[in-house]
Amino acid sequence: AQSVAQPEDQVNVAEGNPLTVKCTYSVSGNPYLFWYVQYPNRGLQFLLKYITGDNLVKGSYGFEAEFNKSQTSFHLKKPSALVSDSALYFCAVRDTGANNLFFGTGTRLTVIP
Amino acid sequence: SAVISQKPSRDICQRGTSLTIQCQVDSQVTMMFWYRQQPGQSLTLIATANQGSEATYESGFVIDKFPISRPNLTFSTLTVSNMSPEDSSIYLCSVEDLQGLANEQFFGPGTRLTVL
Repeated sequence: AQSVAQPEDQVNVAEGNPLTVKCTYSVSGNPYLFWYVQYPNRGLQFLLKYITGDNLVKGSYGFEAEFNKSQTSFHLKKPSALVSDSALYFCAVRDTGANNLFFGTGTRLTVIP
Repeated sequence: SAVISQKPSRDICQRGTSLTIQCQVDSQVTMMFWYRQQPGQSLTLIATANQGSEATYESGFVIDKFPISRPNLTFSTLTVSNMSPEDSSIYLCSVEDLQGLANEQFFGPGTRLTVL
């Protein structure tokens, strides 16, 4: 069985400060991990993914995420937040051999000017 | 990445009626997925639609309530049947990108359904 936890419903950060959106996962095999962003009244946009290799993956809009196998985490990070980063962020996992994604409950990021 | 469109983008429907949502992709894809996002909640997979076979439904979803068609490799429909207010959600289709190893999914803009 696969599951994803996003422990924070809401994250507030000041513009220019670093941001972190947390995600932990549970899978039976090797995980494929994803981050998606949803802006108001729009569909989900793919940000980045981890498959294998380097634990630090870089994605769109300056975001990056670090895969930590021992902590089963895949936290999303950005060195300097922008007001335009304010959105709903979803972490998702796909177990080896599975076809579908399993999504976390989402974290609403608000960047304060 | 594939370009995905959905029709309608939103609708307001009466209880007991049915609505068919269309999903069109600009390239041929093997697997298409239908998700539901209830207000303030995450995405839940309804079913996986492969061309030439019956859709595979997740636990809690049945074909009578959510019939799906997949007539070709670029198109699918999801019908929400005999609607009730509890069906008010955003319905999203997605496709699997076969370019990458992990086959991430790309999503359509969604259909916002309100049932009165």
